[in-house]
Amino acid sequence: GAVVSQHPSWVICKSGTSVKIECRSLDFQATTMFWYRQFPKQSLMLMATSNEGSKATYEQGVEKDKFLINHASLTLSTLTVTSAHPEDSSFYICSARAFVPGSDTQYFGPGTRLTVL
Amino acid sequence: EDKVVQSPLSLVVHEGDTVTLNCSYEVTNFRSLLWYKQEKKAPTFLFMLTSSGIEKKSGRLSSILDKKELFSILNITATQTGDSAIYLCAGGNLEETSGSRLTFGEGTQLTVNP
Repeated sequence: GAVVSQHPSWVICKSGTSVKIECRSLDFQATTMFWYRQFPKQSLMLMATSNEGSKATYEQGVEKDKFLINHASLTLSTLTVTSAHPEDSSFYICSARAFVPGSDTQYFGPGTRLTVL
Repeated sequence: EDKVVQSPLSLVVHEGDTVTLNCSYEVTNFRSLLWYKQEKKAPTFLFMLTSSGIEKKSGRLSSILDKKELFSILNITATQTGDSAIYLCAGGNLEETSGSRLTFGEGTQLTVNP
């Protein structure tokens, strides 16, 4: 149980284009999904928290107009990197949390490696 | 600002050794401490700890939380080469508006040599 998928797993794009990453909880309903970014040899940095049906909450320093998050259903959240630049190249990981009172356990997707040329 | 600090950052051992990974935290409205194992891709869940002094165990891995001293340890006994990974510790808090969120430490890179 608690499987989270991400698509695509790897994407290369040109500078200035937009890239959409999908995150799906396959066998549970995720009331909350999280988007993280991880640079090489660094830990996960939370970008934003999204609850189904409401606007995402962005961490300080993360541009909400650049990283568009949509959490349209209890099993799907999308992150769109708009007008991507080489400095946006990173490993993007989503996680999902089911509504279980008192549980903070997040289950992670396999990640998407974005390379912007 | 919430902070989670792990030590050591890197550890190299031989198969069969026992290792202890440390995690200290300063998390507002702390509720839980989680351990994850990250190999080549995304982290996989190991433990969630919410109560002090109660050991959680899974095979050769065990973990315990000390809420008074604000730290947790992850023990791995009889290490195997497959244990080589980055071990991440995360503190979970409870926020009124967005529910809980996790703050991750830098991770401990464990390498187990044959």
